[in-house]
Amino acid sequence: QQPVQSPQAVILREGEDAVINCSSSKALYSVHWYRQKHGEAPVFLMILLKGGEQKGHEKISASFNEKKQQSSLYLTASQLSYSGTYFCGTTFGNEKLTFGTGTRLTIIP
Amino acid sequence: NAGVTQTPKFQVLKTGQSMTLQCAQDMNHEYMSWYRQDPGMGLRLIHYSVGAGITDQGEVPNGYNVSRSTTEDFPLRLLSAAPSQTSVYFCASSPGGVSSGANVLTFGAGSRLTVL
Repeated sequence: QQPVQSPQAVILREGEDAVINCSSSKALYSVHWYRQKHGEAPVFLMILLKGGEQKGHEKISASFNEKKQQSSLYLTASQLSYSGTYFCGTTFGNEKLTFGTGTRLTIIP
Repeated sequence: NAGVTQTPKFQVLKTGQSMTLQCAQDMNHEYMSWYRQDPGMGLRLIHYSVGAGITDQGEVPNGYNVSRSTTEDFPLRLLSAAPSQTSVYFCASSPGGVSSGANVLTFGAGSRLTVL
């Protein structure tokens, strides 16, 4: 069962902030975030486990709200290099990593 | 250290033909998986394996077969290709299972398949 991502697409100017949401109808065990640039393979950003933890990676951070069955990815002071499609992947205590349909982020100068 | 290697990069098939997409990793990873990527559909899991000799179905397994006779290789077989299988296919591996939260997927560069 694919997680639902929102928004589907967003356009930002360099330096603006963005939030990408990932929600599930089932109780989440872990949430995985990946970024894919056009024509390339997805690349890992971060993993969050249930427990409501927040993780950071330079100006990209994420939270995991177990009660809401939702994770959010925060991109602060966006750079041109942040452009790409962001995918969240979820597991439900098994070894199937199921990805959402993606959020296309475009950063313009 | 090549990582995850997929061959071929591009392939055109006719409806009904069979073929195998190859995936090999040199990182001694136990976990391997196949995804297909279609516009607007994201990455959908076809099959996965938690170790040599063990495979299981993902979200969209119909029309595909896999086997895992060695730790390094995880080929994906299309038994009788259909136009609906036109897609970009990604193989990915990780040191262990994805449920632990400690293991990161490394993706191959992808194989673009067109079925006419």
